[in-house]
Amino acid sequence: DAKTTQPTSMDCAEGRAANLPCNHSTISGNEYVYWYRQIHSQGPQYIIHGLKNNETNEMASLIITEDRKSSTLILPHATLRDTAVYYCIVRVGSKSGANNLFFGTGTRLTVIP
Amino acid sequence: NAGVTQTPKFRVLKTGQSMTLLCAQDMNHEYMYWYRQDPGMGLRLIHYSVGEGTTAKGEVPDGYNVSRLKKQNFLLGLESAAPSQTSVYFCASSAVLAGGKTDTQYFGPGTRLTVL
Repeated sequence: DAKTTQPTSMDCAEGRAANLPCNHSTISGNEYVYWYRQIHSQGPQYIIHGLKNNETNEMASLIITEDRKSSTLILPHATLRDTAVYYCIVRVGSKSGANNLFFGTGTRLTVIP
Repeated sequence: NAGVTQTPKFRVLKTGQSMTLLCAQDMNHEYMYWYRQDPGMGLRLIHYSVGEGTTAKGEVPDGYNVSRLKKQNFLLGLESAAPSQTSVYFCASSAVLAGGKTDTQYFGPGTRLTVL
C-alpha cells in the first residue's frame, strides 16, 4: 500500500470550508484513496473514497490530482462537530481477502467558533 | 440496525489474566476486523476474517487469538494479558460488493482495556 503524508494539525473557522491535504506520491494505478475521521476516540467513521475522478457525497468532496499523487478532502461548511482526526488511507480494492486499512496518525482538525 | 457493537466498553485486567472481547454486527457483512489504537497513534490491524470459520493475521497479531464461529460475531481473546496490551480496541466489518470487491469498513464504538 502507498504511504500517505498529512499535516499533523489544522484549524478552520466555523462556517468556512476546511481543506485537508494528503500526499500519496507512490500510489499505484489500482489503489483507492479513502478518508475516515475519528471524533474524540469514537470508532472511525467513513467519509468518502475515490480512484481517479473527483467525488462528492453528503459529507464532503474529494479532489484527486490528475497524476493521483495527492488529494484534498473538502468539508464545505465546517461546524464544531467536524472537529476530529482525519485519516487519509490508500488501499487496493482487493478482489480476494479483506480490504485492510492502514491508518497513519492523520490530521487533527480543530474548528474554531 | 445497531451496526457494529462491542462488549464490554471498559475493562481492567491484571497481568496474566485472560479475557475475550466480543464484536457483533447485524449488517450481514462477510468481513470483520480487530484493530488496536494506542494513545496518539492511528489504528493497527490485529486480525481479520474474510468469512465464517476463517481468520488471518494482521499487522500486530502477537498475544491475541480470534475466532469467527458465526458470521455475525468476531471474538478477540487475550490468553495472558500484558501491560503492553493496554489500548483501545476497535472492531469493524465490511461487505463484499458485486464483482468481489470489498466495501468500506464500519467501526464499533471501541473497548478500553487497561492491563495493570
